[in-house]
Amino acid sequence: EVQLVESGGAVVQPGGSLRLSCVASGFKFENYGMHWVRQAPGEGLEWVSLISWDGGSTYSADSVKGRFTISRDNSKNSLYLQMNSLRPEDTGLYYCVKDLDSRGYYSYMDVWGKGTTVTVSS
Amino acid sequence: IQMTQSPSSLSASVGDRVTISCRASRSVTTNLNWYQQKPGRVPKVLIFGASTLQNGVPPRFSGSGSGTDFTLTISGLQPEDFATYYCHQSYSSPFSFGPGTKVDVK
Repeated sequence: EVQLVESGGAVVQPGGSLRLSCVASGFKFENYGMHWVRQAPGEGLEWVSLISWDGGSTYSADSVKGRFTISRDNSKNSLYLQMNSLRPEDTGLYYCVKDLDSRGYYSYMDVWGKGTTVTVSS
Repeated sequence: IQMTQSPSSLSASVGDRVTISCRASRSVTTNLNWYQQKPGRVPKVLIFGASTLQNGVPPRFSGSGSGTDFTLTISGLQPEDFATYYCHQSYSSPFSFGPGTKVDVK
């Protein structure tokens, strides 16, 4: 079964840091681009970041650029999101998402994890 | 690229034909996808490449458009279709979603 399982969500103070992880199973992880997508409580979907199959290309939303870093370890079938300088507006459910394409664009997101919750509050 | 959707919400009855529009601030060619999300559930793709139905999605769902203007149509709304629908462009970074259209019961 194709599966993505996120972890690492927590309550953190503004200005703090957090590292999210996502472990993939049931497919050849190294062949696919991977995204992080978030959803604030009661709000819509917001694309956060994309990494290509080999980690050679990364892209981020303007709202997180310079603060969040996406990375992957294909030997561990794992995706990461290092989140620094967190703000209250970063609060939400963070989804790890597989793309159908190795680059992660000109394509679509076909498998979603259940998400991990990040709360930024003092 | 900024994505807009209209309407932001609509009320409909079972059996109705529902149309949701999505507009991109510049051309995304046909790199436009539609996702459905039900409360408490993860999103799932309905349509990719503007008009291709994902495997397993009922044929009452259809998509059209190219460039900047796109449409999702549900022909004969079913009870399980009450949900929020998002368009998403996969053409260029940032790979933005539209704000969503909530379809609820009239």
